[in-house]
Amino acid sequence: AQSVTQPDIHITVSEGASLELRCNYSYGATPYLFWYVQSPGQGLQLLLKYFSGDTLVQGIKGFEAEFKRSQSSFNLRKPSVHWSDAAEYFCAERDNFNKFYFGSGTKLNVKP
Amino acid sequence: DTGVSQNPRHKITKRGQNVTFRCDPISEHNRLYWYRQTLGQGPEFLTYFQNEAQLEKSRLLSDRFSAERPKGSFSTLEIQRTEQGDSAMYLCASSPESQNTEAFFGQGTRLTVV
Repeated sequence: AQSVTQPDIHITVSEGASLELRCNYSYGATPYLFWYVQSPGQGLQLLLKYFSGDTLVQGIKGFEAEFKRSQSSFNLRKPSVHWSDAAEYFCAERDNFNKFYFGSGTKLNVKP
Repeated sequence: DTGVSQNPRHKITKRGQNVTFRCDPISEHNRLYWYRQTLGQGPEFLTYFQNEAQLEKSRLLSDRFSAERPKGSFSTLEIQRTEQGDSAMYLCASSPESQNTEAFFGQGTRLTVV
């Protein structure tokens, strides 16, 4: 069965500092991988996705993620965090029927 | 592009009552999904439709839960005899059938059972 692991439940970074959120997936030689962001009480907004090709993918709001097959990882990064980035971030893997398997999320706090 | 619409946004109900939620997907999307998200967790798959056919149901979907998509457009999720453990955010998503695409999520319905 597919599973996605986000080892960090909470992360706090200072505004302007760099960010890396970890994600490990468990299934598929060529996985379909996603990062979503969720603000309190809101739905999920897609940040970026990886299907194939270039292993470094760019997303919205200055986020990027790197697919590393050897490590089964798809970590999310941002060079300089803004206070508005405080939210919960979910990594997800999709199967061939567009069913998503989500990690348990990482809550990001941004210190002024 | 109106996106995926869910109603109501919030629902408070007494234990034992029935509740029904509605999801209107993006109009050209033939796949529709329901997920449940409890506090501190990621969304968990409940069920999905391709057009009007319900193709898969998670074991999370007890017999008190039923979902329909009668004309392949909007969908409803009904919970009968609600329990406090049903309190959660219920998310709907839709997608086209294409492989190289993501699912588009609605804002969710927050259910509180008191």
